[in-house]
Amino acid sequence: QVQLQESGPGVVKPSETLSLTCSVSSYSISSGFYWDWIRQTPGKGLEWIGSIYHGGRTDYNPSLKSRVTISVDMSKNQFSLKLTSVTAADTAVYFCARGFRGLLHVLSYYDFWGQGTLVTVSS
Amino acid sequence: DLQMTQSPSSVSASVGDRVTITCRASQDIGSSLAWYQQKPGKAPKLLIYGASNLQRGVPSRFSGSGSGSDFTLTISSLQPEDFATYYCQQASSFPQTFGPGTTVDIK
Repeated sequence: QVQLQESGPGVVKPSETLSLTCSVSSYSISSGFYWDWIRQTPGKGLEWIGSIYHGGRTDYNPSLKSRVTISVDMSKNQFSLKLTSVTAADTAVYFCARGFRGLLHVLSYYDFWGQGTLVTVSS
Repeated sequence: DLQMTQSPSSVSASVGDRVTITCRASQDIGSSLAWYQQKPGKAPKLLIYGASNLQRGVPSRFSGSGSGSDFTLTISSLQPEDFATYYCQQASSFPQTFGPGTTVDIK
């Protein structure tokens, strides 16, 4: 069973950088699939942040693209999220998830998720 | 971004009831739709993908249908563990987007 686990600070100050890591077990990231970050807030619901795949290619939500970087560390079987210049609007539960695509589908569905980690932006 | 809407926003039902939730996309997405179940404090769980394909391990009382812009999730006989919030997600138009959710609670 594939398992994902988010880790990182639970509180980030406004204007600083949010950094989270997702550790994957029972599956090698280098073997394929898409590795995504998704966040959830009471106000905006579930919001896709971005994806890393094919050894380092990335896609980002245009609404966040200027502030987001997703990277991968194959040696540790981890991938990471950095979100710069955070504001209170970035307060959310952040999930990492594994994405897959069928032959007829352009974008990903998510079959394995981390438990989620609450990140609060506050001074 | 492609907008997803769901109706109703909440539904009260009893164990054994048949429950139907609707998801509508703001444009044609073919069959590129998934349904997820989320319980409080947990991650979403994939139930259906490709509009009607049951994810491995998901009970057969869950079914999905629809294509184009209108989709339905049906729970044929509601069980106690099914009380949760359900989300649809489109996988056709970048960026992928989710519906606002439908909460199924106890009548």
